[in-house]
Amino acid sequence: QVQLVQSGAEVKKPGASVKVSCKASGYTFTSYDINWVRQATGQGLEWMGWMNPNSGNTGYAQKFQGRVTMTRNTSISTAYMELSSLRSEDTAVYYCARGAWRYFDWLSAYYPYFDYWGQGTLVTVSS
Amino acid sequence: DIQLTQSPSFLSASVGDRVTITCRASQGISSYLAWYQQKPGKAPKLLIYAASTLQSGVPSRFSGSGSGTEFTLTISSLQPEDFATYYCQQLNSYLFTFGPGTKVDIK
Repeated sequence: QVQLVQSGAEVKKPGASVKVSCKASGYTFTSYDINWVRQATGQGLEWMGWMNPNSGNTGYAQKFQGRVTMTRNTSISTAYMELSSLRSEDTAVYYCARGAWRYFDWLSAYYPYFDYWGQGTLVTVSS
Repeated sequence: DIQLTQSPSFLSASVGDRVTITCRASQGISSYLAWYQQKPGKAPKLLIYAASTLQSGVPSRFSGSGSGTEFTLTISSLQPEDFATYYCQQLNSYLFTFGPGTKVDIK
């Protein structure tokens, strides 16, 4: 069965960096994108960016450009999200999510969605 | 960037009620919309994609409709396990965004 298992909770000081991992199993890691989504306590979902594990290509939300880096190690089917210059507002649960696509013949188009999610990693930024 | 709004932000309903949540996009997104359910302390769960396609394993009481800028998620008969927060997400481009969420609570 498809699983995304994330690394454990982190506590960081302002200005530091954090790197969260997401280990995939139950499917071919390089065949699906990995997306990162975060959620501050009591707040909504915020999409951060995507990565294609096959090519390494990435796309980041404008808000995180210059501060986020998404990478992968295909030999261990693991994706990483590193966020730098942390501030208190970055305190949140960070999720990885698999990006899948389905082709609809009658629409002649591919439609994407996030079908499997990791369990979430709490990152706390505090002095 | 494409912005999404959801209405209502909060709704109180009873078991057996028909519930409808609306999601509006700031510009046309064809049918590139998904709906997720999230319960406290849990990761979101995909319910519907391509605006109206039910994800495998999701009960048929959930349905989605719409295209362009206006979309709806309907729960035909609310069950106890459906009390949760619901989010829409646009996937029209590779700059995905989520709506602010609708919390469905027990009346």
